[in-house]
Order: sequence, then C-alpha cells, then structure tokens
Amino acid sequence: SQQGEEDPQALSIQEGENATMNCSYKTSINNLQWYRQNSGRGLVHLILIRSNEREKHSGRLRVTLDTSKKSSSLLITASRAADTASYFCATDAGGYNKLIFGAGTRLAVHP
Amino acid sequence: GAVVSQHPSWVICKSGTSVKIECRSLDFQATTMFWYRQFPKQSLMLMATSNEGSKATYEQGVEKDKFLINHASLTLSTLTVTSAHPEDSSFYICSASGASGRLDEQFFGPGTRLTVL
Repeated sequence: SQQGEEDPQALSIQEGENATMNCSYKTSINNLQWYRQNSGRGLVHLILIRSNEREKHSGRLRVTLDTSKKSSSLLITASRAADTASYFCATDAGGYNKLIFGAGTRLAVHP
Repeated sequence: GAVVSQHPSWVICKSGTSVKIECRSLDFQATTMFWYRQFPKQSLMLMATSNEGSKATYEQGVEKDKFLINHASLTLSTLTVTSAHPEDSSFYICSASGASGRLDEQFFGPGTRLTVL
C-alpha cells in the first residue's frame, strides 16, 4: 500500500504558538481524515474532510484540502502542552473503506 | 458512541507461543474490522481487512497463516499471532467501521502492545 507523506516529521513549539502539519497523497480520494495518537495509545479521530470540501474547522483545529495538489494541512491554533502527540493523516485511497496513513508528524508543545 | 475496545492492552509471551488479541465494537455493529501494526515511531500499516462471516483480506507481505483473523460476529474480531517471534513485537491496533450515520469513519481501539521474548 502506498503511504502519504507528512511534513514536518517532527515539530517543536512553545505553548500559545500555532502548529501546522502538512500531508500529501498520491491518488484520488473521497475523504481525508486526521488523527491524533498519544504515545503508546490508540488513535483519536479529529476531523474528516470530504473531497468536495476545501476547509473545515473544529474548535482550535483547521483543516484544508487541496485536491488539485493532493495535499492537506492541519492547523492547531493557540497550542497547549496537552496537544503534544503524533498526528496522522489518512486517506481512503485504499478502496473498500481502507485507510492509507501518512508517516505522521510528532508534535511537542513546551510549556 | 462508536467505541471500540481491545483486549489485552499488553501481553508478554515467550517465543514460539501463540497470542490472541480481541477487538470489540461496544455500541455498534461493525460490518468491517481492520487490523494494523505499528512499530515504534512509525505509522500504522494495514495488515488485513475482515468482514463478518467471510475470510479476511490480507495486505501484501502479511502472512495469513501467521496472523490468523476471525470475524465471527458483528461485534468481535480476533487476531491470533501464531508461533510468535521477537520480530513480531509491535503495537497492534484494530478499527471498526459500520456505525450508523458514520459509515465513512473507522473507530480505533486503544491498541495492544505485544512483546515476544
């Protein structure tokens, strides 16, 4: 299966700053999802954005999708130490509802 | 709603033994369940897709005789790692889809950490 690319691989910021993570994928999709994973834990679903949507918000999260560039970004505003986690994008490019995950971005938010 | 559990949360076993991991959808009927493996500081890699009552579909490179998957009911799937070896040590995560009104989404279990000595 092909994985998407995410950048940066790691991001270290101070509390209160914004964090932007990017995701690129290779094939057509119906939707793209962002997940958070705390160390050694399962995945928490953050946002699903469909291919006909360009932007979506949920609290401090803002996701954009550019299907022409096959890319998406996740913006976390006013970050908190509790946002420290790994963030993954996943597309349904695998077909049959299968998800293809990006490599992930490890975000560290320092107090 | 749409909660998925896994049991056990962690397991340590000796090389050569078999380990069974359960994945349950607690409040919805999961028409499809997925099994992923995650090595440290890496992403999730899909191992197989299982539909209730039918044989699992394995991803390329995943040995179906080593990773036995059973999806006996709409709320339970099991992954058995047979004759486990240290290289099988990993974090195994299941997910389930089929929740009413949220068919596009997969709901993930908390994961099972397997350590093979």
